[in-house]
Amino acid sequence: QSVLTQPPSASGTPGQRVTISCSGSRSNIGSNTVNWYQQLPGTAPKLLIYSNNQRPSGVPDRFSGSKSGTSASLAISGLQSEDEADYYCSAWDDSLNGRVFGGGTKLTVL
Amino acid sequence: EVQLVESGGGLVQPGGSLRLSCASSGFTFSSYAMNWVRQAPGKGLEWVSAVSGNGDRTFYADSVKGRFTISRDNSKNTLYLQLNSLRADDTALYYCAKAGPRSYGELDYWGQGTLVTVSS
Repeated sequence: QSVLTQPPSASGTPGQRVTISCSGSRSNIGSNTVNWYQQLPGTAPKLLIYSNNQRPSGVPDRFSGSKSGTSASLAISGLQSEDEADYYCSAWDDSLNGRVFGGGTKLTVL
Repeated sequence: EVQLVESGGGLVQPGGSLRLSCASSGFTFSSYAMNWVRQAPGKGLEWVSAVSGNGDRTFYADSVKGRFTISRDNSKNTLYLQLNSLRADDTALYYCAKAGPRSYGELDYWGQGTLVTVSS
């Protein structure tokens, strides 16, 4: 059971907008910034969104993040086939004194 | 270009030990916290441990506390993870990951991982 809760799966058709939720608590999302990682099949995770809503250089602006209270979400607009991947949210947890991840959401592009 | 290259994984019997290494280049190693994150076959990401830039602070997941030890050698730009008292549920791909400017923030670069298999 992961500390952060994500839906196990999500799907959409090309061009569509999809959102992935991430629910936590006061000690993690409520107190610290949220980061999102994309893991393409057979590869290492890659930083997608940091500090709730910032994109690293090279990440398309189709990807956006937001946070409110103890929840966060990742939105992908203009869905493309190459977006098919696992997505993970993460934050530091002040109570556990460590980093926590969501269980991951497998995105399928139909 | 930031590069993180893990090594040291392999097959080990339950109760055994391994030492993982992560050779780093392309950034000022001593200026950044470093982390280990693992992924069991077909499962999600699990944070394992972190160490501050100068090595004076270490953090561990409850699942490995007392069995794993993180360390770093800033003169060699290398991160280590000593794995003792290994169990079957420690079987996973172990990734080395660099923290960004905020030590408790994002992990901005990841290695390709080294596989640890615990089995008799």
